Amino acid sequence: DGGITQSPKYLFRKEGQNVTLSCEQNLNHDAMYWYRQDPGQGLRLIYYSQIVNDFQKGDIAEGYSVSREKKESFPLTVTSAQKNPTAFYLCASSMGQGIDTQYFGPGTRLTVL
Amino acid sequence: AQSVTQLGSHVSVSEGALVLLRCNYSSSVPPYLFWYVQYPNQGLQLLLKYTSAATLVKGINGFEAEFKKSETSFHLTKPSAHMSDAAEYFCAVIMDTGRRALTFGSGTRLQVQP
Repeated sequence: DGGITQSPKYLFRKEGQNVTLSCEQNLNHDAMYWYRQDPGQGLRLIYYSQIVNDFQKGDIAEGYSVSREKKESFPLTVTSAQKNPTAFYLCASSMGQGIDTQYFGPGTRLTVL
Repeated sequence: AQSVTQLGSHVSVSEGALVLLRCNYSSSVPPYLFWYVQYPNQGLQLLLKYTSAATLVKGINGFEAEFKKSETSFHLTKPSAHMSDAAEYFCAVIMDTGRRALTFGSGTRLQVQP
């Protein structure tokens, strides 16, 4: 089945640690996105990538980093510089042509202890 | 001004009643509008999208939305609510066609009472 997978589903982090969230897609999509969701708020864009080896900051990129070495993979690292990292993180992908539909993964819930 | 505003963070309807979830967008954004649904602890699923074709857009699960430029609205409706419709609903726009990323409203949680 084609789709987007995110792992782990739940992640606990101690303060001061970096953690990496995985996002993989087998839809052959060029574009990939990371969003953060907080209770009572909509999703906010962290980073996006429209092609391999290229990515751009979104609206709330501070304290996060990404890489896009393969078309299928777009991992997100939450660094210790992120002051309030507890949130639900969603990865999405799209063909990257015109106004196309974004498909979302199941999400990773990160909790800082 | 907000790019997209959802009126009502919580909406409660009885099973079988009309569902109306409101979304207004800023007139400065391109008219690329989306409705997504999110079930608890899951990702988002596309219900429907408007990309300047027909103003009445039909989506999955019996939902539809009407694009009204004069009112800058894109409200989501369903004639008869089912218990399975209980979820959170997000209206979203694409503000920058180069970036193509979505800008979301704050969401509306729909409760369906038996």
